Amino acid sequence: KAGVTQTPRYLIKTRGQQVTLSCSPISGHRSVSWYQQTPGQGLQFLFEYFSETQRNKGNFPGRFSGRQFSNSRSEMNVSTLELGDSALYLCASSLGYGGGTDTQYFGPGTRLTVL
Amino acid sequence: GQQVMQIPQYQHVQEGEDFTTYCNSSTTLSNIQWYKQRPGGHPVFLIQLVKSGEVKKQKRLTFQFGEAKKNSSLHITATQTTDVGTYFCALNAGGTSYGKLTFGQGTILTVHP
Repeated sequence: KAGVTQTPRYLIKTRGQQVTLSCSPISGHRSVSWYQQTPGQGLQFLFEYFSETQRNKGNFPGRFSGRQFSNSRSEMNVSTLELGDSALYLCASSLGYGGGTDTQYFGPGTRLTVL
Repeated sequence: GQQVMQIPQYQHVQEGEDFTTYCNSSTTLSNIQWYKQRPGGHPVFLIQLVKSGEVKKQKRLTFQFGEAKKNSSLHITATQTTDVGTYFCALNAGGTSYGKLTFGQGTILTVHP
């Protein structure tokens, strides 16, 4: 079974621009979660989508948004980029049944650099 | 929300020495998961602990969940250079916390050959 894939793997943008990252979950997984990883803040939850609906959201500004398509693929968008948005953006897929015991499988991440 | 404190932040060992990282919470956890992230890589799921006092082993790795379900540990026996990476504990609060893992700060393990 193929793992989680993320595109692009690396991205360089300038302040004020916007960016869209893509995530394809493991076949059969309906939940996609997004995380931001930085040296200072560690791994922080952005949001989670299941069946095209956002079920959970972390404490990030509205510049961070996402969506999920009917095939469970997900995208996240960051508008008006700031230097502090430079990070590794990870998506993770799971079956999505909740209950707290879902195992999440992470993709390789997209390394975003904002200049 | 629930949080976990993970210690130590860094651990340097000689190859063959043992290594332990700890996660502590002030509240009772429904479960705890452990992940490993190699340098330049992404978090990889290692194990999930659910029961009070649970102990699970994977070759040289031993995972424990405290009796009160407020702490957990990961112990590696006789470290190898392939054990290098950051080890994270993570919790899912369950209920409506869909897809949200709260990660500890991680322990960065360096193994000197």
